[in-house]
Amino acid sequence: DQQVKQNSPSLSVQEGRISILNCDYTNSMFDYFLWYKKYPAEGPTFLISISSIKDKNEDGRFTVFLNKSAKHLSLHIVPSQPGDSAVYFCAASLMNYGGSQGNLIFGKGTKLSVKP
Amino acid sequence: ETGVTQSPTHLIKTRGQQVTLRCSSQSGHNTVSWYQQALGQGPQFIFQYYREEENGRGNFPPRFSGLQFPNYSSELNVNALELDDSALYLCASSLVGGLGPSPLHFGNGTRLTVT
Repeated sequence: DQQVKQNSPSLSVQEGRISILNCDYTNSMFDYFLWYKKYPAEGPTFLISISSIKDKNEDGRFTVFLNKSAKHLSLHIVPSQPGDSAVYFCAASLMNYGGSQGNLIFGKGTKLSVKP
Repeated sequence: ETGVTQSPTHLIKTRGQQVTLRCSSQSGHNTVSWYQQALGQGPQFIFQYYREEENGRGNFPPRFSGLQFPNYSSELNVNALELDDSALYLCASSLVGGLGPSPLHFGNGTRLTVT
């Protein structure tokens, strides 16, 4: 039973446009959410996070939105660049787990392709 | 700042054998976690170590074990390898006791193939 779901295996966007990646979760106890980006032959790279007390967090071109009532979060990339082409993973955790986010529950990922 | 490093990068083992994977945490981090990523899946939590003790475990059998050393480096040991153990094994480190949540920082992984 997947607790974190990324229902779109792939997404293709034109350079300069907005990329929107979606993620749904089932456990209402999750209180910390993260997005990671992964290139082939590399480990996941942390992008941006949000705690459940917020509904939006911005960092440059990346914005994460959290809708707790819908148990849904999304990552917006504006403007999209070819270098953003990668697999994006959504992850969730309980913030007080051992004081760190060791036990992250990951979705299966969405492969983003940004075309020049 | 030194990132998370893992060795070896690739490994081929035979079913029934044992394997040890190694990880050096990012400098300044004091916890280490291990994840297994099967093809087409997201990483799955194996366990976490803090102060050289296991501090949480996912749904993995006891033949998956680990160690954390005083310098915060870590090992993942898998006994009696099975074909389904073929995966990318990721090590991640973070800081407990800092200001606010500390995201995990991952290494590039060890690709294990069991034949």
